[in-house]
Order: sequence, then structure tokens, then C-alpha cells
Amino acid sequence: DAKTTQPTSMDCAEGRAANLPCNHSTISGNEYVYWYRQIHSQGPQYIIHGLKNNETNEMASLIITEDRKSSTLILPHATLRDTAVYYCIVFRTDNYGQNFVFGPGTRLSVLP
Amino acid sequence: EAGVAQSPRYKIIEKRQSVAFWCNPISGHATLYWYQQILGQGPKLLIQFQNNGVVDDSQLPKDRFSAERLKGVDSTLKIQPAKLEDSAVYLCASSSMETGGSYGYTFGSGTRLTVV
Repeated sequence: DAKTTQPTSMDCAEGRAANLPCNHSTISGNEYVYWYRQIHSQGPQYIIHGLKNNETNEMASLIITEDRKSSTLILPHATLRDTAVYYCIVFRTDNYGQNFVFGPGTRLSVLP
Repeated sequence: EAGVAQSPRYKIIEKRQSVAFWCNPISGHATLYWYQQILGQGPKLLIQFQNNGVVDDSQLPKDRFSAERLKGVDSTLKIQPAKLEDSAVYLCASSSMETGGSYGYTFGSGTRLTVV
């Protein structure tokens, strides 16, 4: 089973920030938080990942709480092309035997 | 760099027929995964290879599904015989532990299988 819980769906107005929450209360100290998204008819696409500190790249920002039990993915200016299913995954990068376990994710709809 | 290539893109077969999917991972990626994604659900791992060895196939229905990764590069996933409930998108992904898996997995676009 997935080690994360996310809301089933969210709406966001175009041009506004989209804040997608994720709970991972059983995360281990050496597990990273990864975010992927899946646009219709495509494979999941990497967005961002982090361990403890907040991270930012050209696509998004990742805010991880100090206790690491939850995180928020922020799309600063959502566009219609950001409509997708967003998956939050916890994962160790140093274990050959581990693999990504996907939950149902959050379906984000960006509205004009 | 080139992405993960999968073929065919779409396949329609009748139940009890057989089907095969092909995956070419990113060059140099030692780890290859096959996932099954049923409509409305997140992807579910079927099998994980490290080079040409199987790391995890605990969720592969071995009575009808088989997979191989000869020479540790390309991989094929086969279903024989297919059932209606096998209708899904089959995703292939690869990763490189040499880089610490920092960017996780790279996925292909998948093969959409419809069993009628």
C-alpha cells in the first residue's frame, strides 16, 4: 500500500497558485518525498523531490514540514496544461529492492 | 537524452489471445520496471529488473504474465492468455542507481491494452 494520503481532487483557477497537500506520517528518516504528475494518455512525469529542506525548480516548489510528516507541492501560476493527476510518493534512493508505490493521487483541474 | 520507448502504443485483442509489449529504457539505466495502470487508479508494479535479474515480481500474475530482460537492456512483457480484466495501460520505467536515483524513474508513454 502507498505510504501517502492525498485529497482525491482539487480545483484551481488559471493563474493562481495550486497547493497540493500530502500526508506521509510514517516516513522514515532516509526516505525522500517525490512528486510526479500524469497528464492524460502519458506516463508519469517527474516534478520535484526533497528530503528535509524546501526545494524549488522551474516547475514547482516543495514545502516539507519540520517533522516531515506532510508536504505541499506548489505550482505558483497554474495553467490549463497543469491539469493532471499528481502523485506524492515516499522512496529511498539507496535501496535497489525498493520501488515506487503509487496511490490514487490528486486530480487537479485548472479552470479558465 | 532519449526517453523510455515503448511499443505498440495501442493494442486490441480478444480474450484468451496472447500479446507482447516491448520497452527500451534510457541508455545506461540498470533498473527497469513494468507497471500496470487500470483506469482511474495509480500505477501498480508488476516486475522490477536490476540489469537482467528479477528484483521483485511478487505482484506479477505468473500463471499468465511473463517478462524478460535479455542482456540487461530491452524488455518484453507478455500476457498469455489475456483476460478482460487485463485491460489497462502498461507502463515501462527505468532508473539509474548510479546517480542515486535522484530523479526517480523515467516513464514511457505506455501501451494501452483493450481486451474484448
